[in-house]
This record gives sequence, structure tokens and C-alpha cells, in this order.
Amino acid sequence: GDSVTQMEGPVTLSEEAFLTINCTYTATGYPSLFWYVQYPGEGLQLLLKATKADDKGSNKGFEATYRKETTSFHLEKGSVQVSDSAVYFCALSDPYNTDKLIFGTGTRLQVFP
Amino acid sequence: EAGVTQFPSHSVIEKGQTVTLRCDPISGHDNLYWYRRVMGKEIKFLLHFVKESKQDESGMPNNRFLAERTGGTYSTLKVQPAELEDSGVYFCASSQGISPLHFGNGTRLTVT
Repeated sequence: GDSVTQMEGPVTLSEEAFLTINCTYTATGYPSLFWYVQYPGEGLQLLLKATKADDKGSNKGFEATYRKETTSFHLEKGSVQVSDSAVYFCALSDPYNTDKLIFGTGTRLQVFP
Repeated sequence: EAGVTQFPSHSVIEKGQTVTLRCDPISGHDNLYWYRRVMGKEIKFLLHFVKESKQDESGMPNNRFLAERTGGTYSTLKVQPAELEDSGVYFCASSQGISPLHFGNGTRLTVT
């Protein structure tokens, strides 16, 4: 079945460092891809999404490009802040219901000043 | 607008007891979803309501779990009897039309 694999955490960075969180997927169809973020004590929030190959999703300085040839959707940010500390989840959608999501295990990011 | 609200935020119960989780979706949202994250693993889909009807319950783990959405408003998820492996964080989410999925803060369930 469809699945998402993302890198183990925690990822520990200093402020202003470059961030990459790897995400690869397995899917039989052409899903939409998402990154969700969970800040401490809060619920999941949609960070960005891409709906077809070569689309780039971006938000709050984060970017991810839908790469069909490598089945990847890596999350990047050029300069992280302490406020970016959170758990990041990569996800793909069911082809018949974009709200029915298959998530990865999550990657905790810790940014220190 | 008020977001998706879940009650309680934490629940600690003993194995064999019953627990009921509640979710109040955003007003007007017909779609309501339950997801679960167990033991720091991936978040998994449990079921999907459209108004008061169960549209997809393919993710429900077993018949100890019962979800209801009376009147198409709030939803409850009952676990009876609870087992140790039911511990985790239960998320509720709602949506309407093409709006993005909105998640609640989750209920952390601990079964001892």
C-alpha cells in the first residue's frame, strides 16, 4: 500500500542554519503531498502542499518540491529560527479523498540560539 | 472562527475501563475525521464522517472502538474496553468543500 518515509529525528540545528528534512513516498496513483507541522501544545497545521509533479509548495520560508522521478518531497528552509522548533510530518493523500492522509512518523526539529 | 476543539486534552485510565473522547468541529464543516498517533509512530487515519454518516471507517482498529456523530455536529469516539496498545494521541479534524483540513490539539490517552 501507499506509504511515507521520513528521516528520523531529532534534528538539532543552530539558529540560521540550513534545514533539510527528507521525505520519500510510495504510491500507486498521483497523490497530493503535504507537510504538516505541530508546534508544542498545539494541533497539526498545514505548512505547505503540492498537488502534481514538479510543483513547489512554499510557506513561511519553507519549501518542498514534488519530485515524481525520485518519489520525494524534501522540506527545506534556508535559515531556521528558534520558533521553528516543532515536529514536522510529511503526508500524502488518498487519490479519492484529499483529506484522507497517510503520514510519515514525524521529525522533531530543535533549533537552539 | 473557533477551531476544532477536543476534550479532554489528557486522559489516564486503567486497562479494561471505558473512555469517551469528544470532538467539536468548526461550525458548518460537514467532514469530520479521526486520526491516531500511537507510541510516536505515524499518524493513522481512523474514520471519516460526512455530516452524521460514516463515509469511511476502514482505519478503525477493532470493534472496541465506536465513533458517533449525532446530528452531524460534534463527534465522540468511545474505546471499550481500553487496552494498553490504545495509548496514543487521538486527533480530530474537520473540513468543508475545498478548505484545508483543520486539526484539533488532540487528546492524549494513556492506558495503564
